[in-house]
Amino acid sequence: EIVMTQSPATLSVSPGGRATLSCRASKSVTVNLAWYQQKPGQAPRLLIYGASTRATGIPARFSGSGSGTEFTLTISSLQSEDFGVYYCQQYYNWPLALSFGAGTKVEIK
Amino acid sequence: EVQLLESGGGLVQPGGSLRLSCAASGYTFSTYAMTWVRQAPGKGLEWVSAISAGGGDKYYAASVKGRFTISRDNSKNTLYLRLDSLRGDDTAIYYCARATIAYGDYHFNTWGQGTLVSVSS
Repeated sequence: EIVMTQSPATLSVSPGGRATLSCRASKSVTVNLAWYQQKPGQAPRLLIYGASTRATGIPARFSGSGSGTEFTLTISSLQSEDFGVYYCQQYYNWPLALSFGAGTKVEIK
Repeated sequence: EVQLLESGGGLVQPGGSLRLSCAASGYTFSTYAMTWVRQAPGKGLEWVSAISAGGGDKYYAASVKGRFTISRDNSKNTLYLRLDSLRGDDTAIYYCARATIAYGDYHFNTWGQGTLVSVSS
């Protein structure tokens, strides 16, 4: 099993500020890494896949980087609607065994 | 519009069974892998099971292997999850989700609204 570790657990950022979220895999997942946003009472929303490809309709202020075991999601200029919990997910493990990180809660300061 | 609609959740006693359904519409169901992901109250996301587009390949988390069964009926555009030998720690919202790309990798850009499974005596 590949364990995904996210940090920090909570991040408080002022509107217009920059948010940097980290995700570490217990072994290499190459670039088979996705990021999701979830707001209270809602299903998750795909932001990034392939470590750095934005999903359809995702604003350019969201960017992903990294490969192997270290990944970063950056929100370049935080908007009020960007609050929520962000999860990373690996899809490298074969036979398929997907796993999510525990999440980073982004709060608007 | 692509849509997924789960049903079948409810209150069940420990040791009991349920069958969840996920009705898909707005796309060619048979060309996309599907998955079930659950979320216990106040907790994070936990992957449960996945199935390939054609249904021939099925995958399970260790926590549910041998108790849950994933299947799909491509003629009915419906995904299923059979839950047997339910335990209290299976209590969660269960989401179905569709892979982003036809015959592609297992990341998911379309999600249902979820169905709540509560296991309690």
